[in-house]
Amino acid sequence: AQSVAQPEDQVNVAEGNPLTVKCTYSVSGNPYLFWYVQYPNRGLQFLLKYITGDNLVKGSYGFEAEFNKSQTSFHLKKPSALVSDSALYFCAVRPLNDYKLSFGAGTTVTVRA
Amino acid sequence: DTAVSQTPKYLVTQMGNDKSIKCEQNLGHDTMYWYKQDSKKFLKIMFSYNNKELIINETVPNRFSPKSPDKAHLNLHINSLELGDSAVYFCASSQDHRSGGRDTQYFGPGTRLTVL
Repeated sequence: AQSVAQPEDQVNVAEGNPLTVKCTYSVSGNPYLFWYVQYPNRGLQFLLKYITGDNLVKGSYGFEAEFNKSQTSFHLKKPSALVSDSALYFCAVRPLNDYKLSFGAGTTVTVRA
Repeated sequence: DTAVSQTPKYLVTQMGNDKSIKCEQNLGHDTMYWYKQDSKKFLKIMFSYNNKELIINETVPNRFSPKSPDKAHLNLHINSLELGDSAVYFCASSQDHRSGGRDTQYFGPGTRLTVL
């Protein structure tokens, strides 16, 4: 069975500073990894995914994530955070040839002006 | 144009009632899903249909019954509503579940169900 851990419930950063949201996973075989963002009272929006190839994946709104197989991590990063990045971020994993997407518990990001 | 839409957005009802939530996607996807997000924001899959065929049925009470009249629609009917059913329910769709997990799931805006 697959699982995802987001070790931080909350991340607080100042606008303009780098933002990192951590994610580690446990899965049999190769994983497909996803990041979603949920703004208040909204649905989940897809940010980026890792399928294969380059370990550094670039996504929407200036976000990127790095797949690290040895550390089983897929941390989300943004070089310079904006107040508008304040939201709930979810990491998710799907094993190869399995269609069940398992989500982490979510990390609330607050970017202060 | 809304890719995945749900109605209603808010649903407030009494315990014991029966209610339905509707979902439609205009992405041409074959696979649709229902997720439940609880008060702690934890997301868990409930059901998945591929081209009107049930492919995922997680441990969900029998009071919950999904129905897919065609591959663009997946409705969720809930009988005898209980307080614990209060949550946000999200519909999602992806191109084809058989693509080995690589397909992105796209989510609807959610339906906030409150059972009094």
